[in-house]
Amino acid sequence: DVKVTQSSRYLVKRTGEKVFLECVQDMDHENMFWYRQDPGLGLRLIYFSYDVKMKEKGDIPEGYSVSREKKERFSLILESASTNQTSMYLCASSSPGTGNYEQYFGPGTRLTVT
Amino acid sequence: AQTVTQSQPEMSVQEAETVTLSCTYDTSESDYYLFWYKQPPSRQMILVIRQEAYKQQNATENRFSVNFQKAAKSFSLKISDSQLGDAAMYFCAYRIVLGTYKYIFGTGTRLKVLA
Repeated sequence: DVKVTQSSRYLVKRTGEKVFLECVQDMDHENMFWYRQDPGLGLRLIYFSYDVKMKEKGDIPEGYSVSREKKERFSLILESASTNQTSMYLCASSSPGTGNYEQYFGPGTRLTVT
Repeated sequence: AQTVTQSQPEMSVQEAETVTLSCTYDTSESDYYLFWYKQPPSRQMILVIRQEAYKQQNATENRFSVNFQKAAKSFSLKISDSQLGDAAMYFCAYRIVLGTYKYIFGTGTRLKVLA
Protein backbone atom coordinates (compact mmCIF):
# COMPACT_ATOMS: atom_id res chain seq x y z
CA ASP A 1 0.00 0.00 0.00
CA VAL A 2 1.09 3.53 -0.76
CA LYS A 3 1.86 5.49 2.31
CA VAL A 4 2.02 9.25 2.50
CA THR A 5 3.04 10.71 5.83
CA GLN A 6 3.14 14.27 7.07
CA SER A 7 5.44 15.50 9.80
CA SER A 8 2.76 16.81 12.15
CA ARG A 9 -0.99 16.35 12.62
CA TYR A 10 -1.36 19.59 14.57
CA LEU A 11 0.88 22.63 14.63
CA VAL A 12 0.58 25.98 16.38
CA LYS A 13 2.87 28.82 15.29
CA ARG A 14 3.15 32.52 15.91
CA THR A 15 2.73 35.23 13.30
CA GLY A 16 5.99 35.89 11.49
CA GLU A 17 7.53 32.49 12.19
CA LYS A 18 9.02 30.40 9.39
CA VAL A 19 7.10 27.14 9.19
CA PHE A 20 8.13 23.88 7.58
CA LEU A 21 5.61 21.17 6.68
CA GLU A 22 7.10 17.94 5.47
CA CYS A 23 5.62 15.16 3.41
CA VAL A 24 7.13 11.77 2.63
CA GLN A 25 5.83 9.07 0.30
CA ASP A 26 7.18 5.56 0.03
CA MET A 27 6.04 4.47 -3.42
CA ASP A 28 8.54 6.21 -5.68
CA HIS A 29 5.89 8.54 -7.08
CA GLU A 30 7.05 11.24 -9.47
CA ASN A 31 4.34 13.76 -8.70
CA MET A 32 3.73 15.38 -5.34
CA PHE A 33 1.26 18.07 -4.36
CA TRP A 34 0.46 20.48 -1.54
CA TYR A 35 -3.15 21.53 -1.03
CA ARG A 36 -4.87 23.78 1.39
CA GLN A 37 -8.32 22.73 2.60
CA ASP A 38 -10.75 25.31 3.97
CA PRO A 39 -14.49 24.87 4.70
CA GLY A 40 -16.61 25.78 1.72
CA LEU A 41 -13.58 26.16 -0.54
CA GLY A 42 -12.62 22.54 -1.05
CA LEU A 43 -9.01 21.73 -1.87
CA ARG A 44 -6.90 24.42 -3.45
CA LEU A 45 -3.54 23.63 -4.99
CA ILE A 46 -0.60 25.54 -3.57
CA TYR A 47 2.33 23.93 -5.40
CA PHE A 48 3.12 20.70 -7.14
CA SER A 49 6.29 18.94 -8.18
CA TYR A 50 6.61 16.54 -11.10
CA ASP A 51 10.16 15.50 -10.40
CA VAL A 52 13.08 16.12 -8.06
CA LYS A 53 13.96 19.82 -7.94
CA MET A 54 11.06 20.60 -10.30
CA LYS A 55 8.09 22.58 -9.09
CA GLU A 56 5.20 24.56 -10.43
CA LYS A 57 2.90 27.06 -8.83
CA GLY A 58 -0.65 26.06 -8.20
CA ASP A 59 -3.62 28.34 -7.75
CA ILE A 60 -2.63 29.98 -4.44
CA PRO A 61 1.20 30.05 -4.15
CA GLU A 62 1.49 33.48 -2.51
CA GLY A 63 3.20 33.29 0.86
CA TYR A 64 4.44 29.75 0.29
CA SER A 65 7.48 28.06 -1.19
CA VAL A 66 8.42 24.41 -1.65
CA SER A 67 11.45 22.21 -1.80
CA ARG A 68 11.97 18.80 -3.34
CA GLU A 69 15.54 17.65 -2.97
CA LYS A 70 14.70 13.94 -2.88
CA LYS A 71 12.04 12.07 -4.79
CA GLU A 72 10.22 10.86 -1.69
CA ARG A 73 10.12 14.17 0.19
CA PHE A 74 8.23 17.38 -0.58
CA SER A 75 8.37 20.27 1.85
CA LEU A 76 6.05 23.25 2.12
CA ILE A 77 7.52 26.41 3.61
CA LEU A 78 5.63 29.36 5.00
CA GLU A 79 8.25 32.08 4.89
CA SER A 80 6.51 34.34 7.41
CA ALA A 81 3.37 32.78 8.81
CA SER A 82 0.25 34.90 8.93
CA THR A 83 -3.12 34.29 10.57
CA ASN A 84 -4.80 33.87 7.18
CA GLN A 85 -2.63 30.80 6.64
CA THR A 86 -4.43 28.99 9.45
CA SER A 87 -5.80 25.96 7.64
CA MET A 88 -5.61 22.23 6.98
CA TYR A 89 -2.71 21.32 4.70
CA LEU A 90 -2.84 18.12 2.69
CA CYS A 91 0.00 16.47 0.84
CA ALA A 92 -0.63 14.02 -1.99
CA SER A 93 1.36 11.97 -4.45
CA SER A 94 0.65 10.19 -7.69
CA SER A 95 2.39 8.38 -10.49
CA PRO A 96 1.26 8.92 -14.07
CA GLY A 97 3.13 5.77 -14.96
CA THR A 98 0.46 3.69 -13.28
CA GLY A 99 -2.07 4.95 -15.82
CA ASN A 100 -4.81 5.48 -13.26
CA TYR A 101 -3.89 8.98 -12.05
CA GLU A 102 -5.07 8.25 -8.53
CA GLN A 103 -3.78 10.64 -5.89
CA TYR A 104 -2.76 9.27 -2.49
CA PHE A 105 -3.17 11.65 0.40
CA GLY A 106 -1.43 12.14 3.71
CA PRO A 107 -3.37 12.56 6.96
CA GLY A 108 -3.12 16.35 6.87
CA THR A 109 -1.56 18.98 9.11
CA ARG A 110 -3.88 21.36 10.88
CA LEU A 111 -1.90 24.57 11.24
CA THR A 112 -2.98 27.36 13.55
CA VAL A 113 -1.17 30.69 13.34
CA THR A 114 -1.75 32.99 16.30
CA ALA B 1 -11.49 27.60 -17.20
CA GLN B 2 -11.91 24.12 -15.83
CA THR B 3 -14.19 24.00 -12.82
CA VAL B 4 -15.88 21.37 -10.67
CA THR B 5 -19.14 22.21 -8.90
CA GLN B 6 -20.75 20.34 -6.03
CA SER B 7 -24.02 22.10 -5.35
CA GLN B 8 -24.95 20.17 -2.20
CA PRO B 9 -22.88 21.31 0.79
CA GLU B 10 -24.59 18.75 3.03
CA MET B 11 -26.74 15.66 2.56
CA SER B 12 -28.37 13.20 4.94
CA VAL B 13 -29.39 9.62 4.36
CA GLN B 14 -31.01 6.99 6.51
CA GLU B 15 -28.94 3.90 7.17
CA ALA B 16 -29.57 1.22 4.49
CA GLU B 17 -31.07 3.76 2.11
CA THR B 18 -29.63 5.11 -1.15
CA VAL B 19 -28.23 8.58 -1.68
CA THR B 20 -26.90 10.42 -4.73
CA LEU B 21 -24.29 13.15 -4.57
CA SER B 22 -24.12 15.57 -7.49
CA CYS B 23 -21.11 16.89 -9.37
CA THR B 24 -20.88 18.92 -12.55
CA TYR B 25 -17.76 20.09 -14.30
CA ASP B 26 -16.78 22.40 -17.07
CA THR B 27 -14.11 21.56 -19.61
CA SER B 28 -13.34 21.78 -23.30
CA GLU B 29 -11.13 18.70 -23.14
CA SER B 30 -12.26 15.33 -24.44
CA ASP B 31 -9.89 13.03 -22.56
CA TYR B 32 -9.91 13.23 -18.80
CA TYR B 33 -10.49 11.38 -15.55
CA LEU B 34 -13.12 12.00 -12.92
CA PHE B 35 -12.83 10.92 -9.31
CA TRP B 36 -14.82 10.74 -6.11
CA TYR B 37 -12.75 10.95 -2.94
CA LYS B 38 -13.96 10.30 0.60
CA GLN B 39 -12.57 12.08 3.67
CA PRO B 40 -13.87 10.53 6.92
CA PRO B 41 -13.72 12.71 10.05
CA SER B 42 -10.09 13.11 11.16
CA ARG B 43 -8.95 10.47 8.71
CA GLN B 44 -7.06 10.31 5.44
CA MET B 45 -8.71 11.08 2.11
CA ILE B 46 -9.16 7.97 -0.01
CA LEU B 47 -10.29 7.25 -3.52
CA VAL B 48 -13.83 5.89 -3.80
CA ILE B 49 -14.25 5.53 -7.53
CA ARG B 50 -12.72 6.66 -10.81
CA GLN B 51 -14.17 7.17 -14.30
CA GLU B 52 -12.28 7.55 -17.54
CA ALA B 53 -14.05 9.93 -19.91
CA TYR B 54 -13.59 7.76 -22.98
CA LYS B 55 -15.39 4.85 -21.31
CA GLN B 56 -19.14 5.01 -21.73
CA GLN B 57 -19.82 2.38 -19.10
CA ASN B 58 -20.41 3.80 -15.63
CA ALA B 59 -17.86 2.74 -13.02
CA THR B 60 -18.96 0.71 -10.01
CA GLU B 61 -17.18 -0.33 -6.81
CA ASN B 62 -19.32 -2.50 -4.56
CA ARG B 63 -22.03 -0.20 -3.12
CA PHE B 64 -20.68 2.84 -4.97
CA SER B 65 -21.56 3.66 -8.56
CA VAL B 66 -21.50 6.69 -10.77
CA ASN B 67 -23.83 8.17 -13.34
CA PHE B 68 -21.49 9.70 -15.92
CA GLN B 69 -23.18 11.93 -18.47
CA LYS B 70 -20.39 13.27 -20.68
CA ALA B 71 -22.51 15.55 -22.84
CA ALA B 72 -24.12 17.09 -19.78
CA LYS B 73 -20.76 17.19 -17.94
CA SER B 74 -22.31 15.51 -14.95
CA PHE B 75 -20.74 12.91 -12.66
CA SER B 76 -22.94 11.88 -9.75
CA LEU B 77 -22.11 9.32 -7.06
CA LYS B 78 -24.71 6.84 -5.86
CA ILE B 79 -24.21 5.10 -2.53
CA SER B 80 -26.48 2.11 -2.02
CA ASP B 81 -27.31 0.47 1.30
CA SER B 82 -25.73 3.37 3.19
CA GLN B 83 -23.72 2.49 6.28
CA LEU B 84 -22.66 4.56 9.27
CA GLY B 85 -19.08 4.34 8.01
CA ASP B 86 -20.06 6.19 4.85
CA ALA B 87 -20.39 9.42 6.83
CA ALA B 88 -17.68 11.71 5.46
CA MET B 89 -16.86 14.63 3.22
CA TYR B 90 -17.01 13.61 -0.43
CA PHE B 91 -15.03 15.48 -3.05
CA CYS B 92 -15.47 15.28 -6.77
CA ALA B 93 -12.29 15.86 -8.77
CA TYR B 94 -11.20 16.14 -12.38
CA ARG B 95 -7.90 15.74 -14.21
CA ILE B 96 -7.12 15.94 -17.90
CA VAL B 97 -4.97 13.14 -19.27
CA LEU B 98 -2.35 15.21 -21.04
CA GLY B 99 -0.81 18.62 -20.65
CA THR B 100 -0.93 19.26 -16.93
CA TYR B 101 -0.49 17.49 -13.64
CA LYS B 102 -3.21 19.49 -11.94
CA TYR B 103 -6.34 18.11 -10.37
CA ILE B 104 -9.39 20.30 -9.91
CA PHE B 105 -11.53 19.62 -6.83
CA GLY B 106 -15.06 20.60 -5.96
CA THR B 107 -15.98 22.19 -2.65
CA GLY B 108 -17.21 18.95 -1.14
CA THR B 109 -20.45 17.46 0.16
CA ARG B 110 -20.75 16.43 3.79
CA LEU B 111 -22.76 13.23 4.05
CA LYS B 112 -24.48 12.35 7.30
CA VAL B 113 -25.81 8.84 7.84
CA LEU B 114 -28.69 8.58 10.27
CA ALA B 115 -29.15 5.42 12.34
